[in-house]
Amino acid sequence: AQSVTQLGSHVSVSEGALVLLRCNYSSSVPPYLFWYVQYPNQGLQLLLKYTTGATLVKGINGFEAEFKKSETSFHLTKPSAHMSDAAEYFCAVKGVTGGGNKLTFGTGTQLKVEL
Amino acid sequence: DSGVTQTPKHLITATGQRVTLRCSPRSGDLSVYWYQQSLDQGLQFLIQYYNGEERAKGNILERFSAQQFPDLHSELNLSSLELGDSALYFCASGGQGWTEAFFGQGTRLTVV
Repeated sequence: AQSVTQLGSHVSVSEGALVLLRCNYSSSVPPYLFWYVQYPNQGLQLLLKYTTGATLVKGINGFEAEFKKSETSFHLTKPSAHMSDAAEYFCAVKGVTGGGNKLTFGTGTQLKVEL
Repeated sequence: DSGVTQTPKHLITATGQRVTLRCSPRSGDLSVYWYQQSLDQGLQFLIQYYNGEERAKGNILERFSAQQFPDLHSELNLSSLELGDSALYFCASGGQGWTEAFFGQGTRLTVV
């Protein structure tokens, strides 16, 4: 079974500071990993994904994440936070269950950006 | 716009009632997934359909059921509603062997 752990349910940064949101995964097979963002009263939007190939993946809005197999991590970073980045972020892993598949999500990290 | 359409956006109903949530996947996507998002449980996988057939089941209550129709739209039926069923219900779709799941805007269900 696959699982995801997000460390820190709330992260606060100053505008212009580095954003680091942590995600560790557990998977018995090579994982497909994702970061989604959810703005208030909206759906989930894909930020970036890792499937195979390059371990450093770039996404929308200046975010990137690095897949580190040895650390079973997929942390999300952005060099300089903007007020518009305030949202909830979810790490997810694609897994197989029964005859189908699903995304298993972490508990989410609420990012607050302060002036 | 993800291409996944969910209706209605908001639903308020009383305990004991039954409601139906509807999802239209992206054009060409055969898989539909239903998720429930609540404050205490987070994002919970409920069920997956692929081309009309149930493929995977998660933490879906017996009071809940779903189906996917020949035109690939899906409906989630929630019955004997309880206050604790109040949540945001998301539908997502993906193609065969997908590397990205696309989410709708969700249906916010409030049970009073």
